[in-house]
Amino acid sequence: GQQVMQIPQYQHVQEGEDFTTYCNSSTTLSNIQWYKQRPGGHPVFLIQLVKSGEVKKQKRLTFQFGEAKKNSSLHITATQTTDVGTYFCSNGGSRQAGTALIFGKGTTLSVSS
Amino acid sequence: DTGVSQNPRHKITKRGQNVTFRCDPISEHNRLYWYRQTLGQGPEFLTYFQNEAQLEKSRLLSDRFSAERPKGSFSTLEIQRTEQGDSAMYLCASSLAGLGGNEQFFGPGTRLTVL
Repeated sequence: GQQVMQIPQYQHVQEGEDFTTYCNSSTTLSNIQWYKQRPGGHPVFLIQLVKSGEVKKQKRLTFQFGEAKKNSSLHITATQTTDVGTYFCSNGGSRQAGTALIFGKGTTLSVSS
Repeated sequence: DTGVSQNPRHKITKRGQNVTFRCDPISEHNRLYWYRQTLGQGPEFLTYFQNEAQLEKSRLLSDRFSAERPKGSFSTLEIQRTEQGDSAMYLCASSLAGLGGNEQFFGPGTRLTVL
């Protein structure tokens, strides 16, 4: 079955450093989604990427979708303590099919000030 | 609060007991999902409804698990004869069918501890 893998599993950075997490799928994705889960919280939708090679930015966060639509990355510039949490990627399924999301194991980011 | 709500937030039970959780999705959302999450893992899909129809069920879901969404609004997830391995956070999410993506809105979860 389809698998979604993320690396690294954990990352610790000093506040102000950059951070990148990578997501790889065993199959081509129609789209990919990113979620953030704060400690003790629930996953919160960040963004969806649909097009091959797509790049989207949200303030200090940059999301990329690979040309082959099998991988993606999330890059955070100048991390802040508010960025702490676990970042999950998932296959986005399709709105028409309404398929369930398959999540990676996530990358847990810790930031020290 | 117009987000997804789940009750109870915490449940402690003894092995062998039955438990039932409730999820109230965002009111206009017609799709509802149940996931299970254990420490250090991403959410694991259990089952999915569109309106009142259960359209997909994980092969990992044993016959001790059953879910319903009788009127296409709230949903319940029941676990019969609980086992210690059932201890986890049970997350509910909802989404709206239509154009665009399948972004899901998660509830706060029900944390189940089986003693």
